Amino acid sequence: GEDVEQSLFLSVREGDSSVINCTYTDSSSTYLYWYKQEPGAGLQLLTYIFSNMDMKQDQRLTVLLNKKDKHLSLRIADTQTGDSAIYFCAESKGGFKTIFGAGTRLFVKA
Amino acid sequence: GAGVSQSPSNKVTEKGKDVELRCDPISGHTALYWYRQSLGQGLEFLIYFQGNSAPDKSGLPSDRFSAERTGGSVSTLTIQRTQQEDSAVYLCASSLDPTVVWADATGELFFGEGSRLTVL
Repeated sequence: GEDVEQSLFLSVREGDSSVINCTYTDSSSTYLYWYKQEPGAGLQLLTYIFSNMDMKQDQRLTVLLNKKDKHLSLRIADTQTGDSAIYFCAESKGGFKTIFGAGTRLFVKA
Repeated sequence: GAGVSQSPSNKVTEKGKDVELRCDPISGHTALYWYRQSLGQGLEFLIYFQGNSAPDKSGLPSDRFSAERTGGSVSTLTIQRTQQEDSAVYLCASSLDPTVVWADATGELFFGEGSRLTVL
């Protein structure tokens, strides 16, 4: 079956790195995503990784994929107060519905 | 506007009443999704439309929930005989055809701001 799990809360100090973890069950997933939701807004795609990649870096964001363990992580370097939001892990097989995790609420303390 | 538009943004209704929520996707997007976001429940898949294919209704929680998509564009989610547990934010998203693979395809979903439903 399809399931995506992630922890619900993470609190970090401004300037530290944040690491948000996610596990998924569908080994045939083609795309894995991180979406960000700011208060009162819809979700926006933050970054994505294809299942044939191990790592993707985009400025302060690093995505790591361990396909064997079905584990995905998002690292935010030099976390800022503006990074406070809910971060959703998601997976899809391409051509099929996208399944989301419950979201991790990131609190950044000044 | 160029984004996904949802209406109403807020709806308060009494238990037992029917409600309709509307989604206007991005022009040219053939795929349309409805999700429900409840406190502590995360983002729950409800239904998925792709082109002229039969919709994937596997996420609808009960037969009180239905959705249609007219002319391959605007979609309406209908909840009949609303219950208090239906209170949530209902999010609509659209995307390009996910069944077509091209080099720069990401499968990105574009979300509206949601319709907050409160059932008293």
